[in-house]
Amino acid sequence: DGGITQSPKYLFRKEGQNVTLSCEQNLNHDAMYWYRQDPGQGLRLIYYSQIVNDFQKGDIAEGYSVSREKKESFPLTVTSAQKNPTAFYLCASSASVGRINEKLFFGSGTQLSVL
Amino acid sequence: DAKTTQPNSMESNEEEPVHLPCNHSTISGTDYIHWYRQLPSQGPEYVIHGLTSNVNNRMASLAIAEDRKSSTLILHRATLRDAAVYYCILRDVSNFGNEKLTFGTGTRLTIIP
Repeated sequence: DGGITQSPKYLFRKEGQNVTLSCEQNLNHDAMYWYRQDPGQGLRLIYYSQIVNDFQKGDIAEGYSVSREKKESFPLTVTSAQKNPTAFYLCASSASVGRINEKLFFGSGTQLSVL
Repeated sequence: DAKTTQPNSMESNEEEPVHLPCNHSTISGTDYIHWYRQLPSQGPEYVIHGLTSNVNNRMASLAIAEDRKSSTLILHRATLRDAAVYYCILRDVSNFGNEKLTFGTGTRLTIIP
């Protein structure tokens, strides 16, 4: 079945450590997104990518970095510069230009906690 | 980017219809209205979308105002499994693939048995 896979489901970070969250999709989608969700809050956009080797900052990009070397993969690194990283992280994808009405598909999320 | 406004929370009795409102007064002519819902500890899932005409699918109906400045998601017969946070977002088809897609806080729907 096609879909988005996020791993790991739970992740713990030590002080000063960088951690990387994985997001893989086999939907042949061009666009991919990373969101952060704090308890009881909505989704806030961290980064998004329209196409391979290109990505844009969202509303809360500070302390995060991404790469888009392959169409199906969009990993998110939470760096030590992110002082409050504890949150639920969601990856999403969508078909891009030329395919209107396309809906967003979300992964099942990664819960990141600080030790 | 056009914004949406939704009530923070709503309650409904089980097996009764639910009407979830969304205001988008700055909507542009190329914005599609999308609805998603998020169950606890899961990623959001697509519910329905539309442009101008009312839309129906197996999950819900979407009623769009004639001036498109508001819309209503209708769950015809709510079940306990419909308890979730519902998000209304706008997607600009003229900017597809280059969208800074933003979600608000949504409406938390509680279903009363």
